[in-house]
Amino acid sequence: DAGITQSPRYKITETGRQVTLMCHQTWSHSYMFWYRQDLGHGLRLIYYSAAADITDKGEVPDGYVVSRSKTENFPLTLESATRSQTSVYFCASSVQANQPQHFGDGTRLSIL
Amino acid sequence: SQQGEEDPQALSIQEGENATMNCSYKTSINNLQWYRQNSGRGLVHLILIRSNEREKHSGRLRVTLDTSKKSSSLLITASRAADTASYFCATDAQGAQKLVFGQGTRLTINP
Repeated sequence: DAGITQSPRYKITETGRQVTLMCHQTWSHSYMFWYRQDLGHGLRLIYYSAAADITDKGEVPDGYVVSRSKTENFPLTLESATRSQTSVYFCASSVQANQPQHFGDGTRLSIL
Repeated sequence: SQQGEEDPQALSIQEGENATMNCSYKTSINNLQWYRQNSGRGLVHLILIRSNEREKHSGRLRVTLDTSKKSSSLLITASRAADTASYFCATDAQGAQKLVFGQGTRLTINP
């Protein structure tokens, strides 16, 4: 079925470890986004991508790395996880930057 | 900083009543969108209103936009238990390649 899939749904890891969150969409949307959602902060943009091989920083990019070698995939890597990165992470895609975004169901990440 | 701010932060009403949520923003926009988020799920797009539109309807949803006041409202009529969710507005600052989301309104519909 067409859609946007995030994996894993839940992840527990330790500080200092590298962890990669995966995002895959089947619509061939140009734009993809990574957000984190925390109580008191709402939804904050980490990184976004306008097309394959084009990425740009959002509001809170520090400590994160992204890549987009293929249109359908947009992985997010925490190179050395910190407790402050414990959050729920959402991936989204859209046809155009300011058009409706389609969200995955999120990855709940806990860093101990 | 947040572009959109929702008000109230939480709203609890009885089933069948109408629910109104408000969103204020700071800069000029091309459009404003409303999303719903059920517990444990991703956001779902509800409705988009362009800057040259004043009102838009979709089923039981009615959205208004006042660009002079930089504000929007979402009205849900004849609420149902299934409407219990968080509702977010999102705006696109003109020229920006992204949306900025508010912190949301948590709506609870009591049976």
